[in-house]
Amino acid sequence: TQLLEQSPQFLSIQEGENLTVYCNSSSVFSSLQWYRQEPGEGPVLLVTVVTGGEVKKLKRLTFQFGDARKDSSLHITAAQPGDTGLYLCAGDRYNQGGKLIFGQGTELSVKP
Amino acid sequence: KAGVTQTPRYLIKTRGQQVTLSCSPISGHRSVSWYQQTPGQGLQFLFEYFSETQRNKGNFPGRFSGRQFSNSRSEMNVSTLELGDSALYLCASREGQAGTDTQYFGPGTRLTVL
Repeated sequence: TQLLEQSPQFLSIQEGENLTVYCNSSSVFSSLQWYRQEPGEGPVLLVTVVTGGEVKKLKRLTFQFGDARKDSSLHITAAQPGDTGLYLCAGDRYNQGGKLIFGQGTELSVKP
Repeated sequence: KAGVTQTPRYLIKTRGQQVTLSCSPISGHRSVSWYQQTPGQGLQFLFEYFSETQRNKGNFPGRFSGRQFSNSRSEMNVSTLELGDSALYLCASREGQAGTDTQYFGPGTRLTVL
């Protein structure tokens, strides 16, 4: 059973389109991170959200943490080919230290 | 500051052998975590070390072990390798153990078991 359900698993869109990736759980997290991973490399942190209802913007990327701290979303506006990659959400549960729980990932392909 | 480094980057072993992977954290970081990444299971937590002590452990068999040295560098060992151990092994470091401390990942070691 996946503790963090991430959807969709695959997404292929044209340059300029918008998209949203979802990360859902029945568990509460103290914080939630979004990472982007390119082939042959480790995940690179995009953002950390810690407060229920929090919204963070990073240029064309908007991240939201659910009010109940059980879900999160990543919205990309006007996607570009450079956004192509694997997007991972990861939750940090209370008192679990460095044990991040990862979603399965969303493989995004943006075609020019 | 230099990022997290992992050696070797690629490794090919045969079933039954053992392997040791190394991780050097970002300077000043005292916590090191290890993850296994496979296409089927995604990223799964193996264990975390802080101040040379294992602080947390994932659901992996005892064949997977690790240690941390006084300079915070860490190694993980897998004994009696199985085909299913083929994966990208990622190391992540963070400054301390606070929940807000960000984990920074290394590039990983790609292990192939034949």
